[in-house]
Amino acid sequence: QKEVEQNSGPLSVPEGAIASLNCTYSDRVSQSFFWYRQYSGKSPELIMSIYSNGDKEDGRFTAQLNKASQYVSLLIRDSQPSDSATYLCAVNKEETSGSRLTFGEGTQLTVNP
Amino acid sequence: DTEVTQTPKHLVMGMTNKKSLKCEQHMGHRAMYWYKQKAKKPPELMFVYSYEKLSINESVPSRFSPECPNSSLLNLHLHALQPEDSALYLCASSSEMTSRETQYFGPGTRLLVL
Repeated sequence: QKEVEQNSGPLSVPEGAIASLNCTYSDRVSQSFFWYRQYSGKSPELIMSIYSNGDKEDGRFTAQLNKASQYVSLLIRDSQPSDSATYLCAVNKEETSGSRLTFGEGTQLTVNP
Repeated sequence: DTEVTQTPKHLVMGMTNKKSLKCEQHMGHRAMYWYKQKAKKPPELMFVYSYEKLSINESVPSRFSPECPNSSLLNLHLHALQPEDSALYLCASSSEMTSRETQYFGPGTRLLVL
């Protein structure tokens, strides 16, 4: 089982719709959860971080965390063509050597005008 | 300011060359990271420096040699690379090497090994 799994996609939504991106993780001791957006040929850019169960909203983005289900999601409301990118779920946990960020394979999102 | 800079943007090298990648941040961050990213794959951790000391080496081949000359700079020295080492090399930094800290990525160096 992979440490971090994302819905494989690609995901295609019409402009103005809600895009829902999902991620599960295998290690219960994971402590911090991040969503990065990566445009083709560019580096990852932080969208959201979440540490506690529940929802966290920032503009059109809402991250949801359920530690009991080991599940984290990202909702993008009023999707825009500029949201078309690969979204990477990342999970961080403390280890004896320090903390380590583990990425899922990414979900490619296309928002159609 | 959450800027991490990397030079060069692009690099083409032969298998016998020696080259270096450079990363710099002026955010006062004490943890710096090197990642390798192949096309359509997520970033893979290579090395982590915390307070200028190497904390994590993910069993990376010795043809990759990291160096942290000071708290703002991180280098990756390359020697005798293979064509399969062609990838996007990403540098990142965070305030501390703890799980709650956000890692900020630089723009990357796209490396092609011929």
